[in-house]
Formats: sequence, structure tokens, C-alpha cells
Amino acid sequence: EAAVTQSPRSKVAVTGGKVTLSCHQTNNHDYMYWYRQDTGHGLRLIHYSYVADSTEKGDIPDGYKASRPSQENFSLILELASLSQTAVYFCASRGGHNTEVFFGKGTRLTVV
Amino acid sequence: GEQVEQRPPHLSVREGDSAVITCTYTDPNSYYFFWYKQEPGASLQLLMKVFSSTEINEGQGFTVLLNKKDKRLSLNLTAAHPGDSAAYFCAVSENTNTGKLTFGDGTVLTVKP
Repeated sequence: EAAVTQSPRSKVAVTGGKVTLSCHQTNNHDYMYWYRQDTGHGLRLIHYSYVADSTEKGDIPDGYKASRPSQENFSLILELASLSQTAVYFCASRGGHNTEVFFGKGTRLTVV
Repeated sequence: GEQVEQRPPHLSVREGDSAVITCTYTDPNSYYFFWYKQEPGASLQLLMKVFSSTEINEGQGFTVLLNKKDKRLSLNLTAAHPGDSAAYFCAVSENTNTGKLTFGDGTVLTVKP
């Protein structure tokens, strides 16, 4: 069973603080993604990566950085957290560009 | 880029009724299509993936229809039951090496006993 593990599962952060969300996959997948979900909406792509040590901007990258130090790990970094970044964040992995996507359980981030 | 419109945003049906959710997309080169179910506070559960140009796929209690000519994807729950109450999302995958998924905004389905 493909596994994508996110940590933490929830976090409260202070405005202006730094937040790091971590994602680990044991699927041996090349592709990894960070999505954001706001209440009542679908998922929007923030950053993605298809090889270690390289990341790409998604559709809403502003205010976020990403890091892919290894095939298994993909982090999302909020250098200066803002109230508008309160959301649920999902990490996902995919073996190829035309295969099934596996999602983590999500991280609920609240910025106060 | 790809744009996906999903309708309706909310849908309430009685147990045993059918429920139809539709997505339209803009990029004619899109190649892979997915339906996900999300229960409150949970992650996304894959219901069905569709690849062919015009395809009807049947799962447990639902049917998915893809019409690439009209750029339309639909999910039909044939006899809804309360356990089907959840949010449903369509997702469209670009036919590029990015593997990006573009999601619809979702449909919150409520099935009343």
C-alpha cells in the first residue's frame, strides 16, 4: 500500500513566524506535490517536484518555498506566515505523470 | 492553464435517488481524469480514474462518463445512500511530464434517509 506521511497533522503558528511542513513517501515515486485546500474549495497546487534537489512552482507559489532533499522527502516552508495561509495542506506523490496520485492525510495549519 | 468547473456546489438527495455531478474542463490535451471522495476532516479517496476518449466506468454504486469531445466528465451515483454523504472532487491531469492535477471546487453531497 502506497504511503504518504505528513507531519505535523495540525499546527498553530504565529503571524510572521516560520513554518515547515514535512512530507515523507515510501512509494519510490519521483513526483511529489504540495496542495492547499481552503474551506469549501478544491485543492490548488503550490509547488511540485519530479526529481530530488529540484522544485517547480505550481499555480499559487507566492509566500511558499519548497525543498526536495531526497526522493522520499518534500517540505513546504512558510518563511513569514500570514493569516491568509490558514488552510489544510496536502502532500501527494505519483509514480509517473500518468499514474494514480496518492495523498497524505493533510496538515491543518492555523495562523493566528 | 487548465480550468475546471464543477457543478453543482451543493447537492441534496433522498436515499435511493440518483445524484449527478459534472465537471467541464478547458484544455483539449488533458488526458487523465479522476474522481475523489473526501469525508469531513479526511484525505482524498480515489473513486475512479478514466483515460479513454469516451468511456463509461462503473464502480460500486456509481458510473463515470467522460466525453472528450465536449470536455465533460460526470459522476453518477445511481442509488445514493447516507454513507455517500461527502465532498466529491473531479481532477484533470495535464498530458505533460509535470503530472499536475487541476481540481474542481467540489460538490458537497448530502443524502437524507
